Formats: sequence, structure tokens, C-alpha cells
Amino acid sequence: DIQMTQSPSSLSASVGDRVTITCRASQSITTHLNWYQQKPGKAPNLLIYAASSLQSGVPSRFSGSGSGTYFTLTISSLQPEDFAIYYCQQSYSSAVTFGGGTKVEIK
Amino acid sequence: QVQLVQSGAEVKKPGASVKVSCKASGYTFTDHYVYWVRQAPGQGLEFIGIINPNGGRTSNAQMFQGRVTLTRDTSTTTVYMELSSLRSEDTAVYYCARERDYYDTSGSCFDYWGQGTLVTVSS
Repeated sequence: DIQMTQSPSSLSASVGDRVTITCRASQSITTHLNWYQQKPGKAPNLLIYAASSLQSGVPSRFSGSGSGTYFTLTISSLQPEDFAIYYCQQSYSSAVTFGGGTKVEIK
Repeated sequence: QVQLVQSGAEVKKPGASVKVSCKASGYTFTDHYVYWVRQAPGQGLEFIGIINPNGGRTSNAQMFQGRVTLTRDTSTTTVYMELSSLRSEDTAVYYCARERDYYDTSGSCFDYWGQGTLVTVSS
């Protein structure tokens, strides 16, 4: 299985901050990388697909980049509704795998 | 609008089986694979298996081989996940998710999810 490693596992930030989360794959996955946001008690919600494409309806403050084994999710100006857990996920293999998650908390 | 609606919470004893349903609506059922993913309390997301509603072909994660059965009913546009020989470690929220291909390149993502079904395994 392809291992996905996210960092940090948690971070504290203030409203208006720029936040970057990283995701590394154990082998090249080209751009088969997606990002999801999950709030307590809810299913994950797709933010970014194909490493850098913004899902319809997702605010433009979210952006993704990377290819191969290194990827980033950036929130340009953190809003109160962005406090949540973020997961990366590879679709290079049909046996998909997810990163361990990054919890974004209020400072 | 696209919806995936899952069955309600279940409480099972160790050794029993559970069957969770996921009813799809708002799109052509046979056009999209459906994945099953679970999340143990306070933990991350774990792949269980995939079903192709067009024909019913399935593929399961190695760790669930022999214990999970995925099926579908095209007449009711519903997919099912049955997990047998339950143990306490299977306590989790189980999600179904619709797979959508990328628009311009190969690859896919999960664009719609069910609301989740909590399965509790306890004696």
C-alpha cells in the first residue's frame, strides 16, 4: 500500500493567518492527490482534487500544489469556519489511502 | 441533487455480522463506483472496499479479505456492505462515498459521501 504522511498532526492558528499543511507519499503518485475537510460528526468534504484543482463551491482561499511525492494544502487567510481536520488521499492506486490528518485549532 | 443516504446506527456483539446500506439518488447509479471507508473513534480514514454498480465487481482491502462482502441492488440503487466476525476493533463510523473521475487526467476523488453509520461492537 502507498503510505501517506501528513504534517503537522495539529496546529494552532488565528483567524486571518496563512496556513500550510504538507502531505508526502511513499512513492510517486504523480498528481493523484485529493484534500478533504472534516468537521466533527460530519463526513469528509472534498476541497481539492488532482493536487491543485479547486472543487466547485469551495472558497478560493484554499489551494493545493505538488506532484510526485510532495504536496501542500494552503489556506491563504484562515476563517472561523476553517477550523477542522484536513486529510490528504491518494488515488494512484485503487486501494486508496489517506494521511493521518491535520487538526487546525484556534489559537 | 446527488445524495447517498446510509442506514442507521447498529450495536452488535463480538462474532456477529452487520450489514450497512447506502442508497444513491440524483445520478445514474451505474456510472460511478462506490467506495466504503471507515473511521474509528478519534482516528483517521481507512479504505475497506470498492464496488462497481455496473456489473457488481468488487475489490476489498487486504485486511478485510474474507470478512467483508459488498453488493448492490440496481432496482433500488442501493449498495450494501456486510462485515462479519465482528470484533471490538471494528467499532467505527462506516461511510460510503461516490467516486468521480478527474475531468482532464486519470485519477479520481470522492465527491459525495453518505452521512456515516456508527457500528458499535460490544459484549
